[in-house]
Amino acid sequence: DVKVTQSSRYLVKRTGEKVFLECVQDMDHENMFWYRQDPGLGLRLIYFSYDVKMKEKGDIPEGYSVSREKKERFSLILESASTNQTSMYLCASRTQGIETQYFGPGTRLLVL
Amino acid sequence: GENVEQHPSTLSVQEGDSAVIKCTYSDSASNYFPWYKQELGKGPQLIIDIRSNVGEKKDQRIAVTLNKTAKHFSLHITETQPEDSAVYFCAASLPGGGNKLTFGTGTQLKVEL
Repeated sequence: DVKVTQSSRYLVKRTGEKVFLECVQDMDHENMFWYRQDPGLGLRLIYFSYDVKMKEKGDIPEGYSVSREKKERFSLILESASTNQTSMYLCASRTQGIETQYFGPGTRLLVL
Repeated sequence: GENVEQHPSTLSVQEGDSAVIKCTYSDSASNYFPWYKQELGKGPQLIIDIRSNVGEKKDQRIAVTLNKTAKHFSLHITETQPEDSAVYFCAASLPGGGNKLTFGTGTQLKVEL
């Protein structure tokens, strides 16, 4: 079974803090993705990575950065958290060339 | 880029009835259309998908239909059961470009006893 894990289920941070969200997959997938999920807006792609040390901006990259130093791990970084970044963050991975994405359980982030 | 609209946003059906969720997409070049189901507290999971060279696909109680001319596709769930209650997302993907998925806004399906 494919397993995608996210470091925290719930996170509370203060405005201006630097926030790290971690995602790990155990299936040797090349591609990894970060989405945010908001009511009425569905899933929106923040960043994705084709492979180690590669990254591409998604549809809403502003205020975020990512890091992919190892194949199994993809980190999302909020350099200076703001209240409008309060959201559910979902990580996904897939094998290069296969469309099916496997999602983690999500991290619900609250920025106060 | 691609834009995907999904309706309805909420859907309530009686157990045993059918449920239909509809999506439209904007880019006629899109060629892959998956449906994901998200249960409470979990991440979305693929339940069925269809490619642009096929008009319909079935898997037990679920089916997806695609109308390329009208640029819309639908999810059909027959004989609904309480465990079908979840949020359903449609998505579309253009060829190339990393096959990124553009998701719809989601449908909260509630199956009532």
